Amino acid sequence: DTGVSQNPRHKITKRGQNVTFRCDPISEHNRLYWYRQTLGQGPEFLTYFQNEAQLEKSRLLSDRFSAERPKGSFSTLEIQRTEQGDSAMYLCASSFSTGLSGNTIYFGEGSWLTVV
Amino acid sequence: AQKITQTQPGMFVQEKEAVTLDCTYDTSDQSYGLFWYKQPSSGEMIFLIYQGSYDEQNATEGRYSLNFQKARKSANLVISASQLGDSAMYFCAMRRPSGGYNKLIFGAGTRLAVHP
Repeated sequence: DTGVSQNPRHKITKRGQNVTFRCDPISEHNRLYWYRQTLGQGPEFLTYFQNEAQLEKSRLLSDRFSAERPKGSFSTLEIQRTEQGDSAMYLCASSFSTGLSGNTIYFGEGSWLTVV
Repeated sequence: AQKITQTQPGMFVQEKEAVTLDCTYDTSDQSYGLFWYKQPSSGEMIFLIYQGSYDEQNATEGRYSLNFQKARKSANLVISASQLGDSAMYFCAMRRPSGGYNKLIFGAGTRLAVHP
């Protein structure tokens, strides 16, 4: 399978604990995105990388959130001191950077986080 | 501000019939892209169809077509010959190329149920 891969798919954690999610994008894609989706809502943009550079962070990404893409391949999203409000699905996506039309953003299956 | 509006929280359709899912958008950009994604209960966002703002013809992909009415700022998804496997959440999204990246803005989604 050459799609976007995310793990773990499900994570239940106690409030205050740290969690880390990993995303492996489609191999030739140089852009990588993280989105968050809560129940009944569409995904919301969190952050975006082009190669290893993090080019934008949403205001949704509080200081407890950090994302990295150390070698321009896989990415990690870490949430420190989790809160119940962090419970959501975290979606990773990737795309090419060239051209305006049709460079579709492909999503992974998401990582569900439940903070208890 | 850019915004996507999906006014139908839920839709029902009989198997083998066609269904239209509504999407309106708000943007002051001249160049933009419109996407539809399907999200089954597993969570993955599956790309369905893309329409560029300068595309003169409506996009089609198999049973999916996009009814693009630029003056009305609408981009409705038409699914022909519905199948039971089409039951899912459907999200309309807009991409703004300004800034040089591909951030997607999503609507709240429409849940489609296909009945036998």
